Amino acid sequence: EAQVTQNPRYLITVTGKKLTVTCSQNMNHEYMSWYRQDPGLGLRQIYYSMNVEVTDKGDVPEGYKVSRKEKRNFPLILESPSPNQTSLYFCASRIKQGTYEQYFGPGTRLTVT
Amino acid sequence: AQSVTQLGSHVSVSEGALVLLRCNYSSSVPPYLFWYVQYPNQGLQLLLKYTTGATLVKGINGFEAEFKKSETSFHLTKPSAHMSDAAEYFCAVSDVDSNYQLIWGAGTKLIIKP
Repeated sequence: EAQVTQNPRYLITVTGKKLTVTCSQNMNHEYMSWYRQDPGLGLRQIYYSMNVEVTDKGDVPEGYKVSRKEKRNFPLILESPSPNQTSLYFCASRIKQGTYEQYFGPGTRLTVT
Repeated sequence: AQSVTQLGSHVSVSEGALVLLRCNYSSSVPPYLFWYVQYPNQGLQLLLKYTTGATLVKGINGFEAEFKKSETSFHLTKPSAHMSDAAEYFCAVSDVDSNYQLIWGAGTKLIIKP
């Protein structure tokens, strides 16, 4: 089944404790992206990647890191999480060119205390 | 810069009534337009999309949307609401100026009254 998977689905952590949220897709998509969703603000893009070893900042990159060492994986790293990073996070992927629709993972709900 | 405006953060309709969720966008070049749906505690699922061609687009679950260039709108409709349609709906636009990144509206939560 074609899908985007994220782990963990739920995470509660404390301020300053490094964490990684994994994202993997099995559709051979070149493009992958991370979003955060907050009430009333819709989805805001954190980082995206057009291909392996190519990453770019989105609208809200501060406090986050990403890497793209393999085509299928695009982990999101919070080196020193803070309470304002409490949010619902989505990973998405799409083909590089075409109709540009994105396929989303199930989301990761992160709480930083 | 591109932007997407969804009128109404919450829309309430009775079961069986017409659903109309409004989306207006700004884009100076031909856009690709999308509606996504997010059911409670789930990820986002593509409902329908406009790329080129026919301006009336049909999607899943009986939804459709019409691209109106003159009005820069892409409103989502469904003739008869069902309880299972209760969800949050997001409109998004992408075009060459945004390097085909999706620009999102803030979302509209659809509430269905029995």
